[in-house]
Amino acid sequence: QSALTQPASVSGSPGQSSTISCTGTSSDVGRYDLVSWYQQHPGKAPKLIIYEENKRPSGVSNRFSGSKSGNTASLTISGLQAEDEADYYCCSYAGSSTSWVFGGGTKLTVL
Amino acid sequence: QVQLQESGPGLVKPSETLSLTCTVSGASISNYYWTWIRQSAGKGLEWIGRGYSSGSTKYNPSLKSRVTMSVDTSKNQFSLRLTSVTAADTAVYYCAARRQGAYYFDYWGQGTLVTVSS
Repeated sequence: QSALTQPASVSGSPGQSSTISCTGTSSDVGRYDLVSWYQQHPGKAPKLIIYEENKRPSGVSNRFSGSKSGNTASLTISGLQAEDEADYYCCSYAGSSTSWVFGGGTKLTVL
Repeated sequence: QVQLQESGPGLVKPSETLSLTCTVSGASISNYYWTWIRQSAGKGLEWIGRGYSSGSTKYNPSLKSRVTMSVDTSKNQFSLRLTSVTAADTAVYYCAARRQGAYYFDYWGQGTLVTVSS
């Protein structure tokens, strides 16, 4: 069982938006503004798409956005495209003892 | 461009030691925290621990008693040793880099599958 809770799957039609939630606790997501999100296509390594809750690395589409409320972080993908179909993982810093916790991953299906 | 490449045996017997190496190119190994993360089949990601060129390490409390990591600056390599492995340690193992002051992993290796089986 992963430390952060994500829905197993979400789906959306091309052009629509889809949101993935990531629920932690007051010791990780709720305590630090240090949630990151990773996209993983089958057989590939995870790729950073959001860091520090809502910042995008250079080269990542602005269709990806992040937010947080309390102990829950969210990743929103707008204008869904076929290439967005992948697994998405959230990650949070959890302090010096635990360090890093991940979510169990969410499979996004573009219908 | 920072590139990471994991290497090591793909098959390890139960109770033995898993050893992996991550070779770094395109960056000085002294400028990053080097991390091992694993992914079991159909499951999420798990942070195993990290090392730094100074020799400092930090491990996941759930694996701490079995994990050792080290950085070899002369070879630009980062290594993982996991002792007393069981089938539960079967996973794809990734090495990843985190810049100093950053709280995210911006570079990842392609991953290497390690199967624990007799």
